[in-house]
Amino acid sequence: DSGVTQTPKHLITATGQRVTLRCSPRSGDLSVYWYQQSLDQGLQFLIQYYNGEERAKGNILERFSAQQFPDLHSELNLSSLELGDSALYFCASSVGSGQQGNTIYFGEGSWLTVV
Amino acid sequence: TQLLEQSPQFLSIQEGENLTVYCNSSSVFSSLQWYRQEPGEGPVLLVTVVTGGEVKKLKRLTFQFGDARKDSSLHITAAQPGDTGLYLCAGALVPGGYNKLIFGAGTRLAVHP
Repeated sequence: DSGVTQTPKHLITATGQRVTLRCSPRSGDLSVYWYQQSLDQGLQFLIQYYNGEERAKGNILERFSAQQFPDLHSELNLSSLELGDSALYFCASSVGSGQQGNTIYFGEGSWLTVV
Repeated sequence: TQLLEQSPQFLSIQEGENLTVYCNSSSVFSSLQWYRQEPGEGPVLLVTVVTGGEVKKLKRLTFQFGDARKDSSLHITAAQPGDTGLYLCAGALVPGGYNKLIFGAGTRLAVHP
């Protein structure tokens, strides 16, 4: 158990819909990262928040957005869903901003299936 | 095209065999990490290598960072069924770039009793 909690574990939704994935980081961790893992693209970095503010951006689509709340939990919002958005979405957390080499701990992921 | 190419994609071996998996790139990385991911779980960090030519050992696992910091290898001695999983390499392109890791597609290892 990494200490990173993600909900829901599984989600099936239709194309065009919007979903929200939730993440609670490990106690004391200030950074939250979102990654997408699909069969054809592998694990791709989407976005990072550090202490409530966006810190780094990766290959995140404009249809996707995220935020980190004052209690440090984070949400990833996926809208206008397409079949190709079906993937495993991981949240990860670390103590620091990720630039000091702190270990990044991954949650168990949220399986999203778009039908 | 992946910036980090891992080979082989799949590896199925018997318990007790040795194996090596590779992580290659045309780009220079500031540091490289290896993760193991088991079904239904997220990746778990095994090691970080930061210096060209560096070798690190973790029990039966030996990790090496290439001299030019463009490649890395993971060698497992006397593999056990518990080693089964997806092995991912991940690199930081710039110093301190651990917050924007680039992952390879992984090597899926199956060790049979």
